[in-house]
Amino acid sequence: DTGVSQNPRHKITKRGQNVTFRCDPISEHNRLYWYRQTLGQGPEFLTYFQNEAQLEKSRLLSDRFSAERPKGSFSTLEIQRTEQGDSAMYLCASSLAQGAFGNTIYFGEGSWLTVV
Amino acid sequence: DQQVKQNSPSLSVQEGRISILNCDYTNSMFDYFLWYKKYPAEGPTFLISISSIKDKNEDGRFTVFLNKSAKHLSLHIVPSQPGDSAVYFCAASAGNTGNQFYFGTGTSLTVIP
Repeated sequence: DTGVSQNPRHKITKRGQNVTFRCDPISEHNRLYWYRQTLGQGPEFLTYFQNEAQLEKSRLLSDRFSAERPKGSFSTLEIQRTEQGDSAMYLCASSLAQGAFGNTIYFGEGSWLTVV
Repeated sequence: DQQVKQNSPSLSVQEGRISILNCDYTNSMFDYFLWYKKYPAEGPTFLISISSIKDKNEDGRFTVFLNKSAKHLSLHIVPSQPGDSAVYFCAASAGNTGNQFYFGTGTSLTVIP
């Protein structure tokens, strides 16, 4: 039983460059979430997919951020024109939604982004 | 607007004793609560959950208590072990919009051998 897989685990990029993170959820899970975590804070919601449909986006997700989940399997999170404030751990999580109540989300190991 | 709060940034406990981690929430619509454990440079690992129809849920050394009237939940770890040293996050969601989970800022637990 494989868990949520994220790559790359670490990415150092220069300000202004684009970066892309990939997430492979637990295979039977139909919901996929992206969160961001900075030092001293809890994970903050960015966006979520049910199958291939992106159903909710946080106001934290600026126009420079785009997420996709083609075919309802893996997902990508792209950050364009990175800024130093984008430095954070980007967490992917998935769940098997059976109604809206009581879903447990399972996280991957995260992708660290450092913008220099 | 921090809807889930963990007011103790850190906690130290002797090995073998009880660890009690606390969490408060403000949104009365929250009906599902979870605790996660996180080691540095890793993603959070799910520990235990509780729905609002219960006031207690137990799994081995971990017990979560929910006091809906006080909008408060706590995680008890008995007995505490050095391997429990980590950051613990509580999270909450509302059934009618069960897509977004709100997290506290975490409590760093140190279990002293």
